[in-house]
Formats: sequence, structure tokens, C-alpha cells
Amino acid sequence: DAGVIQSPRHEVTEMGQEVTLRCKPISGHNSLFWYRQTMMRGLELLIYFNNNVPIDDSGMPEDRFSAKMPNASFSTLKIQPSEPRDSAVYFCASSYYSGYPNYGYTFGSGTRLTVV
Amino acid sequence: KQEVTQIPAALSVPEGENLVLNCSFTDSAIYNLQWFRQDPGKGLTSLLLIQSSQREQTSGRLNASLDKSSGRSTLYIAASQPGDSATYLCAVLHQTGANNLFFGTGTRLTVIP
Repeated sequence: DAGVIQSPRHEVTEMGQEVTLRCKPISGHNSLFWYRQTMMRGLELLIYFNNNVPIDDSGMPEDRFSAKMPNASFSTLKIQPSEPRDSAVYFCASSYYSGYPNYGYTFGSGTRLTVV
Repeated sequence: KQEVTQIPAALSVPEGENLVLNCSFTDSAIYNLQWFRQDPGKGLTSLLLIQSSQREQTSGRLNASLDKSSGRSTLYIAASQPGDSATYLCAVLHQTGANNLFFGTGTRLTVIP
């Protein structure tokens, strides 16, 4: 198993540009999470999906952020337009949820986003 | 709201020492607790997962305990090595009806050769 795969690993973009982060969860996992990590705020949950359906997006900071999960093996997090304060490391994680979530989360290696 | 605290925030020990990292949480209604390791600039690696019905889990030189009623967990590292230097995060999966992991702020460990 290749684990949770995120791309790109690093992204540098100019303010105002659209940024799309990608995630491939572990095969068989039915829950997917997008987190953001900064020095100031630590790890923050942005949004999570169960069976490709967004369950809680209350952590999404603004309307500039959107996430989709068109199928069980792919998700995107889009920022449009991007701002310098969006600079952070964005992690995707997946797990198996069966009504009693006994299973741990597996994290991807993250995407380091820098908006200049 | 569930709050997770880790003490100390940073710890420096000489190689070979045994050490304990602490994690506390405010709401005992959890499904499980997970310890992660994060190296600088890297992702999170899961170390140990303790279900709410368990008291401890062991993996090699690592041992994690859970006292759900008191809202505490410890991560014990035996015979520390410089390669253990990293930030250690604990996270609890809360029984909110939502599938959400609450993270502590982490303990930055440095093992001095």
C-alpha cells in the first residue's frame, strides 16, 4: 500500500492565483480529511468526507476554499483566489469509518503552499 | 469542546535515557487515542493507536498508556536515540457523532548524542 498520496509536495504561487491540491486516499478507506498546519495554529481540520459526501466543512476558513471528492479514490482542495495568509502545510488523511471508528488515521506527506 | 494538552512543549535528553511524554484531554468520551511522530518538514507518522477499551499498546521501544477516566495518556520511550528526535503529537477521536480527531500541540523532543 502506497499510503495517502498528495500532490504537489510543494507549491509556490502568486497572490490571486488559483491553487489546487490533490489527494489519493488509501484504497478501502471511506473517510477523508483535509487539515492545515501552521506554526501559530497547529493542525486544523478544514473539511472531511464520509463515502465521498462532505460531512463537516465548518473548518473551511472562507468561501475562497472549496473541496470536492468526486470518487472514493480522489479529492481536491481548491483555493481561489489565494492569499499570502493561506501559506501553510496542507495534509490529507484517510481512515475507515464503520459506525464505530476503531481505526487510526493515515496522513499523507503534505503539500507545502507558499503564496507570495 | 474537546481540548488536548501536551506537556512539556519541548524536552531535551541525553541519548540512552528513558523518557515520558504526557497528553491530557478534557472529555473522556473518546473512541481512541493515537500518538503520531512528525519530523521537521514532514508528514505525520502514526506510532500507536489505543482503543478506548484498552489500557496500553507497545511497539518496540515505545509504550503508550491510556487512562480514559482521568483523561490522560503517556508515551514512554525507552533507551532514547538521536533518531527519536521529532515532534510527538497525541490525538483523540471524540465521540461527537462526527469522525474528527482532536490534536494536542505537541512535544518537541531532542535526543542529544
